[in-house]
Amino acid sequence: AQTVTQSQPEMSVQEAETVTLSCTYDTSESNYYLFWYKQPPSRQMILVIRQEAYKQQNATENRFSVNFQKAAKSFSLKISDSQLGDTAMYFCAFMKPSWGSGTYKYIFGTGTRLKVLA
Amino acid sequence: KAGVTQTPRYLIKTRGQQVTLSCSPISGHRSVSWYQQTPGQGLQFLFEYFSETQRNKGNFPGRFSGRQFSNSRSEMNVSTLELGDSALYLCASSLRTGDITDTQYFGPGTRLTVL
Repeated sequence: AQTVTQSQPEMSVQEAETVTLSCTYDTSESNYYLFWYKQPPSRQMILVIRQEAYKQQNATENRFSVNFQKAAKSFSLKISDSQLGDTAMYFCAFMKPSWGSGTYKYIFGTGTRLKVLA
Repeated sequence: KAGVTQTPRYLIKTRGQQVTLSCSPISGHRSVSWYQQTPGQGLQFLFEYFSETQRNKGNFPGRFSGRQFSNSRSEMNVSTLELGDSALYLCASSLRTGDITDTQYFGPGTRLTVL
């Protein structure tokens, strides 16, 4: 069975600094998708970034980028120039599609609570 | 465009009761997924409805059920509530036009407390 592990329950970073959140996963599949979601305090969860496993190039979205190491089954999120608004719970998620049946399976990590300090 | 809405936002029930939660997806979205979020377990996938049919199901007991209406609104029902059902229940909608990796948009959640 697939698992997703986020080993850092809490982290803090100074405003304008860079922080990296780690995520490892376990799967025997070769075709899957990985996501980072952000859940600000008392606000809705939003997608930060996604990575297709078949793509070697690491995904980037403005200040957010990932380091995808397929062989090591690692998918870390780097936040550059951290802002106070980045304070949130961050969830790593693994998704395996079943193209024939049109179904999929999402597995989330337990989250990393990030606090950006002024 | 209005986001995903969930009602009620907070709910307190006692053990043995049943509860129904509602989710209205973004206009045009046909897929609604439900998740249970707890501090210890994180987010766990409950099920997904698409075109009024359950398309995916997580590993939850039969006490958890759902349905989807023709306007894509979805309800989730939990019967015979247990203390361990206390959680934030999130729903997420997506277009589901054919690419099953469509971005999911989450609602604010319903916080259920079982006493």
